[in-house]
Amino acid sequence: SQTIHQWPATLVQPVGSPLSLECTVEGTSNPNLYWYRQAAGRGLQLLFYSVGIGQISSEVPQNLSASRPQDRQFILSSKKLLLSDSGFYLCAWDTGLAEAFFGQGTRLTVV
Amino acid sequence: AQSVTQPDIHITVSEGASLELRCNYSYGATPYLFWYVQSPGQGLQLLLKYFSGDTLVQGIKGFEAEFKRSQSSFNLRKPSVHWSDAAEYFCAVHGNKLVFGAGTILRVKS
Repeated sequence: SQTIHQWPATLVQPVGSPLSLECTVEGTSNPNLYWYRQAAGRGLQLLFYSVGIGQISSEVPQNLSASRPQDRQFILSSKKLLLSDSGFYLCAWDTGLAEAFFGQGTRLTVV
Repeated sequence: AQSVTQPDIHITVSEGASLELRCNYSYGATPYLFWYVQSPGQGLQLLLKYFSGDTLVQGIKGFEAEFKRSQSSFNLRKPSVHWSDAAEYFCAVHGNKLVFGAGTILRVKS
């Protein structure tokens, strides 16, 4: 069966520290992968998406980057976190032909 | 550019009344269209989807949506709202990527 793992569930990081959030998918090949940030009143803001290994599209210029080192692995990173990076981050995958599947999310608090 | 607009941030309806949540999209072709629901503290649940064919699609929990190409709309409807329908509803569009609207928070008053 298809599953998606996203970790950690919660994270508290100091300003200026690096960030690495990881998402892995099981049970499918060559999925589209997405990173979203969810904020009240803004819905799910698409940050990055990837249609294949090493192919990353950035939707919103900001302090974050994404990488896809393997077919079913998607990583969200930052070299130096800002207070404004706090939020709820969701990883998702789809095939473009059916519904999307979401990770459990990561609540990031930058202090 | 691909985008989704949900013009209503909040909607309040009485229990038993009908509901319509609006969704408009922008895309150069006919995209795949979705409605998701999120209850407080919960993940996103797919209500229904449109890929092709009949423009009126039925979903779970008594919801339906109608795709209108001429209006670039995909409005969600329910004939009689239940208190348990109170949640946040997201319209989503998949053209070359999956993009969500800002969401509509539904409040149900008894």
